[in-house]
Amino acid sequence: AQTVTQSQPEMSVQEAETVTLSCTYDTSESNYYLFWYKQPPSRQMILVIRQEAYKQQNATENRFSVNFQKAAKSFSLKISDSQLGDTAMYFCAFLGGAGGTSYGKLTFGQGTILTVHP
Amino acid sequence: NAGVTQTPKFQVLKTGQSMTLQCAQDMNHEYMSWYRQDPGMGLRLIHYSVGAGITDQGEVPNGYNVSRSTTEDFPLRLLSAAPSQTSVYFCASSPSLYPNTEAFFGQGTRLTVV
Repeated sequence: AQTVTQSQPEMSVQEAETVTLSCTYDTSESNYYLFWYKQPPSRQMILVIRQEAYKQQNATENRFSVNFQKAAKSFSLKISDSQLGDTAMYFCAFLGGAGGTSYGKLTFGQGTILTVHP
Repeated sequence: NAGVTQTPKFQVLKTGQSMTLQCAQDMNHEYMSWYRQDPGMGLRLIHYSVGAGITDQGEVPNGYNVSRSTTEDFPLRLLSAAPSQTSVYFCASSPSLYPNTEAFFGQGTRLTVV
């Protein structure tokens, strides 16, 4: 079974600064996808960014970027120019690729609560 | 554009009662799934379906049943509610597993079993 670990239960950052959330995963598969989801107090799950394992280039979406280290099985999220609206729970998630034992199963980490202070 | 609709949003059950959490999507997505969210444990997969008539178990399936008779609907049944099933439940759908892998989530159901 795949595992996803977020070792930071809580993080805080000042508005306009940069913060990095950590995520590691364990898998024996070579084909998979990784995600970061945001869950604000409204409880809605919102996709922040997605990374295909076969792509070496790190994904970027505006102020959000990832550092994908496939050999180290690490997938951290960097938020630049933090805004008050970034305050939320952030989940790292793993989706197994076709042909693997975890095909179709989305596995989440425990979550990191991020608070952005004015 | 409704997306993924879950009902009810809140529910209190007594131990031993049964109920069905409803999930419907209007995006013609093939893939649907149910998760439960508990503090410190993230979201855990209960059951999933890759298309109408096809379902499979996830990480924590015990105490729950699902069926997928139509593309749009994927209800989750609690057979005999237990306090350990107190949780927030999310339904999600995706157009297909690959290459478009984004999952769209409902707004969740907070279930309390007393």
